[in-house]
Amino acid sequence: QITLKESGPTLVKPTQTLTLTCTFSGFSLSTNGEGVGWIRQPPGKALEWLAVIYWDDDKRFSPSLQSRLTITKDTSKNQVVLIMTNMDPVDTATYYCAHRRATGNVRPFDYWGQGTLVTVSS
Amino acid sequence: DIQMTQSPSSLSASVGDRVTITCRASQGIRNSLAWYQQKPGKGPKLLIYAASTLQSGVPSRFSGSGSGTDFTLTISSLQPEDVATYYCQKYNSAPHTFGQGTKLEIK
Repeated sequence: QITLKESGPTLVKPTQTLTLTCTFSGFSLSTNGEGVGWIRQPPGKALEWLAVIYWDDDKRFSPSLQSRLTITKDTSKNQVVLIMTNMDPVDTATYYCAHRRATGNVRPFDYWGQGTLVTVSS
Repeated sequence: DIQMTQSPSSLSASVGDRVTITCRASQGIRNSLAWYQQKPGKGPKLLIYAASTLQSGVPSRFSGSGSGTDFTLTISSLQPEDVATYYCQKYNSAPHTFGQGTKLEIK
């Protein structure tokens, strides 16, 4: 059974750097085809895809946010970390991590974490 | 980048109605299209992938169709528990853009 859970600060100040951790179980990011992505949703607004990292360390980013994002994986800990720099109040959102498969039985984001609300305010 | 446009943005229908939501890609994406359901206060749930394949456990009243640029999500007989916002997403290549969502309510 695949599960994911996001963790990190609930409040950050403008200009600060946000670090979010996704801890997962039920699959390994060392297995061919596996990936973990990040998606966010500002209150009352639509889903926005941010980034994804794959088993082979391939990384893809939203073009509009690429300069501010870093994504890494720790296969031994079953964790993926998203770093977003220069936070602004418009970045206030619920941040989700989610599993996908990119090869073999290709799937979009089929398992999601519960989400974590991050508020950007001074 | 490919844009995903959903219509309508909101929809009100009666229990038992047939409901259709459309999603249009600005360029062809073959069948690499997913539909998600997000109920109020909850995270998204995958309903359909590969444009028409039902995710395990999803009721058969949900169906998807389309290929290339035009896709549809259909609920054959609307139930009260289907109140939610529905999103399409392209996933063949990054960026994995979502549509802006369609909010479905019961009349």
